[in-house]
Amino acid sequence: DIQMTQSPSTLSASVGDRVTITCRASQSISSWLAWYQQKPGKAPKLLIYKASSLESGVPSRFSGSGSGTEFTLTISSLQPDDFATYYCQQYNSYLTFGGGTKVEIK
Amino acid sequence: QITLKESGPTLVKPTQTLTLTCTFSGFSLSTSGVGVGWIRQPPGKALEWLALIYWNDDKRYSPSLKSRLTITKDTSKNQVVLTMTNMDPVDTATYYCAHFQIASNAFDIWGQGTMVTVSS
Repeated sequence: DIQMTQSPSTLSASVGDRVTITCRASQSISSWLAWYQQKPGKAPKLLIYKASSLESGVPSRFSGSGSGTEFTLTISSLQPDDFATYYCQQYNSYLTFGGGTKVEIK
Repeated sequence: QITLKESGPTLVKPTQTLTLTCTFSGFSLSTSGVGVGWIRQPPGKALEWLALIYWNDDKRYSPSLKSRLTITKDTSKNQVVLTMTNMDPVDTATYYCAHFQIASNAFDIWGQGTMVTVSS
């Protein structure tokens, strides 16, 4: 099984900050990595797919990069609506989610 | 517009079998490149992928839960059904179904989720 390790698990930041979340795969997954945002009591929302492709309607302050085993999600300027939990998800015949990163107000 | 909605019991007893139905609209599960998956989330914990069924009836299961899961589709009814046997209190979670595209290998549209509690 491919394991996905996200870091940090919690991140404290202020509005306007640049935020970076990392996801590491236990083996190469090429570019089959997606990022989701989840707010309390709500279903996850797809932000990024294929490591760096922005889902339609998602603000351009979100970006993704990486390939192989190391990936990053960057929020260029954190907005009040961005305080949430973020998950990565890999696809390699099977799927696995990371453990999540909670972005909270500093 | 694609929508999905989960339905099923809110409470099941330990050792019972859980049956959840995902009813969707706005797409056909006979369209090439499309799938529907199930994902769960215990209270306060991370997402866990359970199963995925493709338009061609190919099926994938989480290796750790494979022996307990069955996923099927009824294309004429626009439904996908997940059964999970031998339920345990640790299976208490919100269960989501979601639309999947092989072009992105990601879940782009999710249902609202349904909370299932396992307790005697």
